[in-house]
Amino acid sequence: GESVGLHLPTLSVQEGDNSIINCAYSNSASDYFIWYKQESGKGPQFIIDIRSNMDKRQGQRVTVLLNKTVKHLSLQIAATQPGDSAVYFCAESRSNDYKLSFGAGTTVTVRA
Amino acid sequence: EPEVTQTPSHQVTQMGQEVILRCVPISNHLYFYWYRQILGQKVEFLVSFYNNEISEKSEIFDDQFSVERPDGSNFTLKIRSTKLEDSAMYFCASNLQGTPGTGELFFGEGSRLTVL
Repeated sequence: GESVGLHLPTLSVQEGDNSIINCAYSNSASDYFIWYKQESGKGPQFIIDIRSNMDKRQGQRVTVLLNKTVKHLSLQIAATQPGDSAVYFCAESRSNDYKLSFGAGTTVTVRA
Repeated sequence: EPEVTQTPSHQVTQMGQEVILRCVPISNHLYFYWYRQILGQKVEFLVSFYNNEISEKSEIFDDQFSVERPDGSNFTLKIRSTKLEDSAMYFCASNLQGTPGTGELFFGEGSRLTVL
């Protein structure tokens, strides 16, 4: 069945370093992918998205990479800050579907 | 910045009781959603709603669940007879244009439901 998952449940990173969070998806029909950040006690917050006709998209301090060949998605955070500490979820969707399918989440902890 | 608001933030109920979770989506949004997150697990889609109809629902959204837009601002999730496994954080979400690929989905801060 379809699933979206993350390779590692936790990531500890030194403040100022770059972070890379990975996600594997299995549904080749997915054509829209999103990264969400969830801080403790809050709802998911949109970070960045990418469509399947792209392989890279950049935002402010974040970059999403999509490799459709191996069904892999990654989020890169540049110069990680304490405020980046959160759980990060990838999610996928297909055209004409209303639902998002979320992965299991990676907890990022930024060390001072 | 406009936001999705949810009430209550936390509700404790006895098994078998009815629960209604309330949401006020962003005012000009047209598509509404409920998701849930069991503690420590991933966020799961429950239902989407547009034009006073369910547009899509998951296998989790069985006959015990219902949604309603009783007026121009509220969007509710009702669980008729709660079970222990309904304990979770329930997130309401909304967007303007429809399927996730058409526009950012905004989530509320969630309502934590604890069933005893």
